[in-house]
Parts: sequence; C-alpha cells; structure tokens
Amino acid sequence: DTEVTQTPKHLVMGMTNKKSLKCEQHMGHRAMYWYKQKAKKPPELMFVYSYEKLSINESVPSRFSPECPNSSLLNLHLHALQPEDSALYLCASSQIEGPYNEQFFGPGTRLTVL
Amino acid sequence: EDQVTQSPEALRLQEGESSSLNCSYTVSGLRGLFWYRQDPGKGPEFLFTLYSAGEEKEKERLKATLTKKESFLHITAPKPEDSATYLCAVQAGDNQGGKLIFGQGTELSVKP
Repeated sequence: DTEVTQTPKHLVMGMTNKKSLKCEQHMGHRAMYWYKQKAKKPPELMFVYSYEKLSINESVPSRFSPECPNSSLLNLHLHALQPEDSALYLCASSQIEGPYNEQFFGPGTRLTVL
Repeated sequence: EDQVTQSPEALRLQEGESSSLNCSYTVSGLRGLFWYRQDPGKGPEFLFTLYSAGEEKEKERLKATLTKKESFLHITAPKPEDSATYLCAVQAGDNQGGKLIFGQGTELSVKP
C-alpha cells in the first residue's frame, strides 16, 4: 500500500479561525513532510519530521504549527492565517534508512483563507 | 548551490508524437533523482527514481534516463491521458533531512 491520505480535501477559513490538517500513512515510513504549493509552482517544503521529531523547519511563520503524534500521523495546526496562505497543502512520507527514499505524496488539502 | 532546471516549461504534442522532457541539475553529490507526474489540483504521483549515471527505467510509454548532469523523460506515442505537469526533483548526498529540490516542472498537453 503506497497511499498517503489527507483530510479534509477542501477547507475554507477566516483569518481568525483555528483549524487543523491531518495526514496518515501506513507504509512504515519514519519521515513525514509538509509542503505548500501555489498554482503553477513546484511544492515548497515547510517541515520535516524524522522518527517523530521535527528535523527541518524552513523558516515557516508560527501561525503554522506542525505535530507528529505517532509514526503514522502528521498534523498541521493553522491559526490566524492570511489570504496569501491560500494554497494546496501536501503531505508526503518516505523511508529514512536504505536506498529507497522516494517520497510518496497525499492528494492534498485545498485551503482558502478569506 | 543545488539547483534543478526543467525544459521546456510547456510542451504541446499531437497524440502519437514522441518527445523528451529535460531536467538539468547541479547538486553536491546526488543521492537520487525523482520524476513525478502531477494532475491539476492533485498531489504529485511518483514515477521513477534514478541513482547513478547510465541508469534507465521504464513504465508504459515513459522512459527515464540519467547522466551526470541531466535526466530525460522520454514519452513514446503519447496519449491525451498523459497530459499533466511532470516534476523533476533531486536529493543531495548529504541528505539534508530528505529535502527535495524541485524544478519548475514541464506542463505537457497531448491533443487527440
């Protein structure tokens, strides 16, 4: 099973709302990633978790707060977002050890901030 | 600085008209080069990983090749369902936590 699932598929929120994006994988991967993608642009890395610990934060504003409750789950908590944060948010996972470290992406959450 | 450049930005083909997409890269020690396909509004779909110069991989109408400076994605006799954006990404040898460096993508349109 090479599936990464994400919920919700679509999210509309106001600038004062608090919401969360969820990601799940059951491939036994120990690295999980959050990306942000704007239209006609490649995915832009936000956070990396390795063995459930935050290993990379690409200088993301604090209104985005990641959480990795266990090796299968990854959350992204959103608070006080700006309209320019509207984008497709992608979760991905991969192995850490060994030669096969390709990242598998979920379908994404389309976020609109009003 | 690690960098990936894809060309062309957009490619329009007639059904059955074979062509190639290019991915040029500069990276400090290549750990892997990855090709993805992305349909509008969806997540990237993994296609291939290439690890060393001379390596080739095939899947249906797609064939990926790798040299020390670039990779090609050859599309043989494409069909309209091959229309998508094709992304190339590299991972540096020092891993950097699994970070991928993406090119800007090639938007492929195949007309019947």
